[in-house]
Amino acid sequence: AQKITQTQPGMFVQEKEAVTLDCTYDTSDPSYGLFWYKQPSSGEMIFLIYQGSYDQQNATEGRYSLNFQKARKSANLVISASQLGDSAMYFCAMREGVKAAGNKLTFGGGTRVLVKP
Amino acid sequence: DAGVTQSPTHLIKTRGQQVTLRCSPISGHKSVSWYQQVLGQGPQFIFQYYEKEERGRGNFPDRFSARQFPNYSSELNVNALLLGDSALYLCASSTHSGRAIDTQYFGPGTRLTVL
Repeated sequence: AQKITQTQPGMFVQEKEAVTLDCTYDTSDPSYGLFWYKQPSSGEMIFLIYQGSYDQQNATEGRYSLNFQKARKSANLVISASQLGDSAMYFCAMREGVKAAGNKLTFGGGTRVLVKP
Repeated sequence: DAGVTQSPTHLIKTRGQQVTLRCSPISGHKSVSWYQQVLGQGPQFIFQYYEKEERGRGNFPDRFSARQFPNYSSELNVNALLLGDSALYLCASSTHSGRAIDTQYFGPGTRLTVL
């Protein structure tokens, strides 16, 4: 079974509008962390935002916010006021067993976002 | 502050050859992880090293090996290259402090093409 599922392979969004990228995850570990990364065409993975499984509030970082619904096992990324520079691939990733040894991130298949002027 | 650096940027090899990729972590970071990203897919975990010891290994054959040096830099070696090894190889570093938030920061990657 896929541990991280991103169902939207590609999306168009109008500049200055908000966009929501879907991410669902599967784990039996009570302790885990969820990450979103942005990958421009240059290839580098840029960290955007983090949500811990025990965090009571949804994470926010500037124009990025995470809609964390633990019971539904979803961690959707919301980008507000989209800019042309937001055009990129976006990956959702999970690390299970935060306090266990190992630092493995499991990634989803990604969503390509294209911002239209 | 310098981010994660990787060398070389691009590499072209032929089947059966061996390749070594290099990574320097962010200053102060003691953990280095390697990922393989095949075109059109998300990255796949290969190895994690912390304090020069292997702390995690993904589902990759023994042709893949790695090591970490006293200065926390790392090398990834791939022997007997196959066409399917063509990918972007990403290195990530983190403090691996054991705290809940231990974000991995990625380098620009090495794009390997096997002909």
